[in-house]
Amino acid sequence: SQQGEEDPQALSIQEGENATMNCSYKTSINNLQWYRQNSGRGLVHLILIRSNEREKHSGRLRVTLDTSKKSSSLLITASRAADTASYFCATGFGSARQLTFGSGTQLTVLP
Amino acid sequence: EAQVTQNPRYLITVTGKKLTVTCSQNMNHEYMSWYRQDPGLGLRQIYYSMNVEVTDKGDVPEGYKVSRKEKRNFPLILESPSPNQTSLYFCASTPGTGRQETQYFGPGTRLLVL
Repeated sequence: SQQGEEDPQALSIQEGENATMNCSYKTSINNLQWYRQNSGRGLVHLILIRSNEREKHSGRLRVTLDTSKKSSSLLITASRAADTASYFCATGFGSARQLTFGSGTQLTVLP
Repeated sequence: EAQVTQNPRYLITVTGKKLTVTCSQNMNHEYMSWYRQDPGLGLRQIYYSMNVEVTDKGDVPEGYKVSRKEKRNFPLILESPSPNQTSLYFCASTPGTGRQETQYFGPGTRLLVL
């Protein structure tokens, strides 16, 4: 089964509101990353947080990591219609030779 | 411009007709990989390469081949495509051998096998 699972699967909000997406995982990780994918396009890296970090910011993005709960959240503040996309978390764990991606949260920001 | 390119972007083919999807990166990255994306299943890794002439299977390698003769190129080969290989394919690269680090994705290749 997948290492990272996003929640909710779909989220619809009004422009200007904040959007929060969550990612849960099962085993200890080295790092956790968030990616964005516009419809049918390649994934774009947003932010990477390492296992010894608890919070990171990048512009309107805020990522938290709680290793005790094996979960992470991505907060997008003051959302815009252009933020409409799918958001994926990806985990690197153990000596794995790859990242493991979740199935994503579809965010729709209504104008 | 630093980028990962894939060709073709769209491809319709028939069962059994060999095809190759090319992938090229201009960032001198050592690690490259191929993913397929299917609804509800997220991204699953097909094959990856740690460096020239070094390739290994990912989670779903059956029915695919790859080669890494040059650092910049990592083609995906379907020797005998089948309808269950209809999918959206992505190539990605990562600097160094940081296989768990940030990945740079290509624009994707949408494949339909009839």
